Amino acid sequence: DVKVTQSSRYLVKRTGEKVFLECVQDMDHENMFWYRQDPGLGLRLIYFSYDVKMKEKGDIPEGYSVSREKKERFSLILESASTNQTSMYLCASSPSSGGRSYEQYFGPGTRLTVT
Amino acid sequence: QKEVEQDPGPLSVPEGAIVSLNCTYSNSAFQYFMWYRQYSRKGPELLMYTYSSGNKEDGRFTAQVDKSSKYISLFIRDSQPSDSATYLCATGANSKLTFGKGITLSVRP
Repeated sequence: DVKVTQSSRYLVKRTGEKVFLECVQDMDHENMFWYRQDPGLGLRLIYFSYDVKMKEKGDIPEGYSVSREKKERFSLILESASTNQTSMYLCASSPSSGGRSYEQYFGPGTRLTVT
Repeated sequence: QKEVEQDPGPLSVPEGAIVSLNCTYSNSAFQYFMWYRQYSRKGPELLMYTYSSGNKEDGRFTAQVDKSSKYISLFIRDSQPSDSATYLCATGANSKLTFGKGITLSVRP
């Protein structure tokens, strides 16, 4: 079974702090994704990585950066956390081959609260 | 117009009912149409998907795509309380998915 793990289930940070969210997958997937999920807004893509050290902006990249130094690990960084970044953050991975690239497997999510 | 629109719900049905969940999409280039299920406090899990038009059946679940009307449907037969969850439709292009906002389904025993 594909397993995607995220470093924390719940996180509370103060405004202005630098925040790191870590994601690890164990299925040798090429593609990895970071989303945030908010009530009434659904799942929105923040960043996408299709290979080590490769990244692409999603729909809402402002205020975020990412790092992918190893294939299995994809980190989301909030350079200076703000209250409007309070959200559920979800990591996903998928293979890169054809139609299977749309078979995204999600982690359990990190609920981040910025106070 | 949003790329993927989904009925907001919530939806409550009695056990055993047939459930129909629907989405519309705007980009005719989409070829992959996904359904994810998300239980409370969990990440979404892939339920099933179709490529291009047509139907796909998996047990009590049927996914249907009508590309002429840009309509995506998920049917659940003999619904069970364990089907209570949020259902997300999504369409795929360039290895990325665009999700609907999700609809919360409650199946009453």
